[in-house]
Amino acid sequence: DTAVSQTPKYLVTQMGNDKSIKCEQNLGHDTMYWYKQDSKKFLKIMFSYNNKELIINETVPNRFSPKSPDKAHLNLHINSLELGDSAVYFCASSPKTLVESALGETQYFGPGTRLLVL
Amino acid sequence: GQNIDQPTEMTATEGAIVQINCTYQTSGFNGLFWYQQHAGEAPTFLSYNVLDGLEEKGRFSSFLSRSKGYSYLLLKELQMKDSASYLCACLDSNYQLIWGAGTKLIIKP
Repeated sequence: DTAVSQTPKYLVTQMGNDKSIKCEQNLGHDTMYWYKQDSKKFLKIMFSYNNKELIINETVPNRFSPKSPDKAHLNLHINSLELGDSAVYFCASSPKTLVESALGETQYFGPGTRLLVL
Repeated sequence: GQNIDQPTEMTATEGAIVQINCTYQTSGFNGLFWYQQHAGEAPTFLSYNVLDGLEEKGRFSSFLSRSKGYSYLLLKELQMKDSASYLCACLDSNYQLIWGAGTKLIIKP
């Protein structure tokens, strides 16, 4: 059973298109995250959601919008895709917010979605 | 600014020991994580340190010195499957995870 799943695994699209990446976790976790890993391999947090409330919102373009229909899902919508959006996007979940847990609560990552914008 | 430094790449021999270093400068500190990431896969949790000292977990150990802003991951009895990237990440004062770029570890027979 996959704990954190993402679809699609690969996404190739043209500049200017709008696309969505879906994420689901079956761990009963309270918090979900979206990360972007660029070609230099830095993992950068984009969003996190706790009980449907956005609690972290890094300075990402407003073309990116997270949508959480319920605690088990956090989808990422991207409008007007640009070449620089090409990267691997990871969804993750954790049992509590990092603030509440503070000590050792870990993040469980999805397999990643490889986005290529042409 | 916040910064995490680790070597880009290291090479070691199967059966040997390797130490991967990580230095950090963050606004506040609430612990340091090590993650393993195989090529094309998601990161997986290895260890967490918040107090000074060495935490041992099987073949892997992680050390932290808060006063020096320094950590290392020690891998013993290296196996070919240990070939991966090892990511260091710190929790800052806002409990945000700040990630390093990772150290690519190459294991040779």
